[in-house]
Amino acid sequence: GAVVSQHPSRVICKSGTSVKIECRSLDFQATTMFWYRQFPKKSLMLMATSNEGSKATYEQGVEKDKFLINHASLTLSTLTVTSAHPEDSSFYICSARRQSAASGNTIYFGEGSWLTVV
Amino acid sequence: KQEVTQIPAALSVPEGENLVLNCSFTDSAIYNLQWFRQDPGKGLTSLLLIQSSQREQTSGRLNASLDKSSGRSTLYIAASQPGDSATYLCAVPHYNQGGKLIFGQGTELSVKP
Repeated sequence: GAVVSQHPSRVICKSGTSVKIECRSLDFQATTMFWYRQFPKKSLMLMATSNEGSKATYEQGVEKDKFLINHASLTLSTLTVTSAHPEDSSFYICSARRQSAASGNTIYFGEGSWLTVV
Repeated sequence: KQEVTQIPAALSVPEGENLVLNCSFTDSAIYNLQWFRQDPGKGLTSLLLIQSSQREQTSGRLNASLDKSSGRSTLYIAASQPGDSATYLCAVPHYNQGGKLIFGQGTELSVKP
């Protein structure tokens, strides 16, 4: 079963509104989560690294004021797309890093969230 | 800057055929390389992870190889089935191995019955 859950899987919002996407690690604590964006027929592009209890680290070219990331607990990171525009329509995927003394780092991906801005 | 490239972008084969997907990376100093499967509109499923010290990994009909010196990895799928139809992505960790991954563009595979 899924160890990382994303919600909602699909969302449609009007231009100018904000929409929040949640990423939860279900059976482990994740101090670090990652947010990716994927355009149709394209690869995944890392947007930012979400750090529990501190500010997210954004990749070059990603607007931090537009894509707000909050990692308030060890199992939840949220991505809020503010003042959404049609060009923000995309597939957003999160991943969470599970750290283990035995097996090191393992990355688990969520199911992704389709955002359509109309 | 690490760049990951996958060839071909799309591939269509008849059922039962063996096939090879290619992945190349520009910086050979990688810790590992991972192959993922993505079904349309879905998230990623990890298929195989090859550590830098390994040359190949096998899981069922899948075999992934890694040649760090040449910056290449291949994913071999034996006896392909229509259920194998999906996009296959390879990825390597960002240099600091923090869990950030750099992905190739993917190969969209279609297996015809």
